[in-house]
Amino acid sequence: NAGVTQTPKFQVLKTGQSMTLQCAQDMNHNSMYWYRQDPGMGLRLIYYSASEGTTDKGEVPNGYNVSRLNKREFSLRLESAAPSQTSVYFCASKRLAGGPNEQFFGPGTRLTVL
Amino acid sequence: TQLLEQSPQFLSIQEGENLTVYCNSSSVFSSLQWYRQEPGEGPVLLVTVVTGGEVKKLKRLTFQFGDARKDSSLHITAAQPGDTGLYLCAPISGNTPLVFGKGTRLSVIA
Repeated sequence: NAGVTQTPKFQVLKTGQSMTLQCAQDMNHNSMYWYRQDPGMGLRLIYYSASEGTTDKGEVPNGYNVSRLNKREFSLRLESAAPSQTSVYFCASKRLAGGPNEQFFGPGTRLTVL
Repeated sequence: TQLLEQSPQFLSIQEGENLTVYCNSSSVFSSLQWYRQEPGEGPVLLVTVVTGGEVKKLKRLTFQFGDARKDSSLHITAAQPGDTGLYLCAPISGNTPLVFGKGTRLSVIA
């Protein structure tokens, strides 16, 4: 099993450009999440999908959109990138939204917006 | 809004020393997880504690869940360079997504 995979691993954008970060999991998990990680700020939740067909905003959703394409895939889109979106983005998945089950993370996408 | 604090924010120690890091919340939660993140990678689950007062051991790591289920600690005995990383706590409350603390960045020097 590959677990949680993310593409691309690195990306450089110019202000105003758009892009989509891809995430897929092969563990048949119901819930998927997008976080961003900035120095000194920890992991902050952008959007999540508790189950296929649902999406909800997290702590920092402005400037982002998401699509739960199917049970395996959950993409994050930046419509008009801004320098404040320079960050490391992590996708994660869990078998169930609630309860003490393990959350698995992808390796991250390192995004720089110039 | 739940306030979650981890301390210390940074810790640099020599190999063989002991250390304790803390996770404190303003709210009671049903259980709590600790994750470790190594440089350039995503976080990986270390342990889940579910009962107030619970103590779990993972080799040289000892995790304790406070009696009131508002705080937790992680103690490392005889730290090794391989323990270097960012230690994150995440309280669990119902079906809400995990909210992570800002973490303790540990550096163990050989």
